[in-house]
Amino acid sequence: DGGITQSPKYLFRKEGQNVTLSCEQNLNHDAMYWYRQDPGQGLRLIYYSQIVNDFQKGDIAEGYSVSREKKESFPLTVTSAQKNPTAFYLCASRLTGSSYNEQFFGPGTRLTVL
Amino acid sequence: AQSVTQLGSHVSVSEGALVLLRCNYSSSVPPYLFWYVQYPNQGLQLLLKYTSAATLVKGINGFEAEFKKSETSFHLTKPSAHMSDAAEYFCAVSDDTNAGKSTFGDGTTLTVKP
Repeated sequence: DGGITQSPKYLFRKEGQNVTLSCEQNLNHDAMYWYRQDPGQGLRLIYYSQIVNDFQKGDIAEGYSVSREKKESFPLTVTSAQKNPTAFYLCASRLTGSSYNEQFFGPGTRLTVL
Repeated sequence: AQSVTQLGSHVSVSEGALVLLRCNYSSSVPPYLFWYVQYPNQGLQLLLKYTSAATLVKGINGFEAEFKKSETSFHLTKPSAHMSDAAEYFCAVSDDTNAGKSTFGDGTTLTVKP
């Protein structure tokens, strides 16, 4: 079955540590996205990538970094510079070619800073 | 620039009653509109989308939405609510000027009372 996987489902981090969230898709989609979700605030775009080896900042990129070395993978690193990282993180992918192609979402990773 | 406003962060209905979740959008060019559903601690799943082919769009689980250009609205409805409809619902907009990025509303939590 095609889809998007995110791991781990739950992640705990001590202050000052960097952590990396995994996102893998086997849908053969070119575009991938990372969102942060906080209660009552909807989804906010962190980074997105439309092609391998290229990515752009979203609305809240500060304190985060990404890489896109393979079409299937788009890992997100939450750095110690992110002051309030506790949140639910969602990865998505989309078939490019038209803006009416919807995004497919992974199950999410809940990050908690201790 | 594109934006989405979901009216009402919480909506409560009785089982069997009509469900109406409101979404208004803003876009400088013809929009593509989406409704997604999210169950607790899960990713988002597409309910339906408007791509200009028809103004009344039918989706999964008995939901439908009508695109009204004059009112810049894309409200989600279901004739008879079921307990399993309890979830958070997100309206999203994208267009051909924005590299496939979607802008999401803040979400509406639907509660279904027995």
